[in-house]
Amino acid sequence: EDKVVQSPLSLVVHEGDTVTLNCSYEVTNFRSLLWYKQEKKAPTFLFMLTSSGIEKKSGRLSSILDKKELFSILNITATQTGDSAIYLCAVNSGGSNYKLTFGKGTLLTVNP
Amino acid sequence: GAGVSQTPSNKVTEKGKYVELRCDPISGHTALYWYRQSLGQGPEFLIYFQGTGAADDSGLPNDRFFAVRPEGSVSTLKIQRTERGDSAVYLCASSYYPNTDTQYFGPGTRLTVL
Repeated sequence: EDKVVQSPLSLVVHEGDTVTLNCSYEVTNFRSLLWYKQEKKAPTFLFMLTSSGIEKKSGRLSSILDKKELFSILNITATQTGDSAIYLCAVNSGGSNYKLTFGKGTLLTVNP
Repeated sequence: GAGVSQTPSNKVTEKGKYVELRCDPISGHTALYWYRQSLGQGPEFLIYFQGTGAADDSGLPNDRFFAVRPEGSVSTLKIQRTERGDSAVYLCASSYYPNTDTQYFGPGTRLTVL
């Protein structure tokens, strides 16, 4: 059974701090890893990673994948209160249905 | 363009009742997914449509759950004889085939079964 584990499950920081969120996975076949931000109900797409060692970057957010060690990290620099959300990691293990297997998420709280 | 939309945003029903949840995917997206998210958990896969057909319904928990997509666009998730354990947020996502990796999610329907 495919498995995605995120850590920490929750994190409280002050504005301006840098955070690193972790995601490890065990899947039968790997196709891609995705990060989403969930503020209320709708997960919003952040990054999709398919190749090891290539950093994806968008503003203060960046992410990288290690396919040998089976993990990914999501970095957020100079955090702002608007970064407070649940960050979800998901793996697409290919096959015929392209379904995503999600971790439980990391609840990030950024205090002013 | 418009994103994925879902209605209703909230649904409160009594145990044993029938409910329908609707999803309107992004225009032109041929792949459509339903997920269910319980409190403190990540979304869990329910069913995947490619066009009008259910390509994979292996995530549906039991035969009280059924979903259709008759014209290859809007989809309806149907739950019969609801139980309190069905309470969750039901999320719909769509993606463009063949580039199906990036799934875009709707705002979800929060279902509460009393």
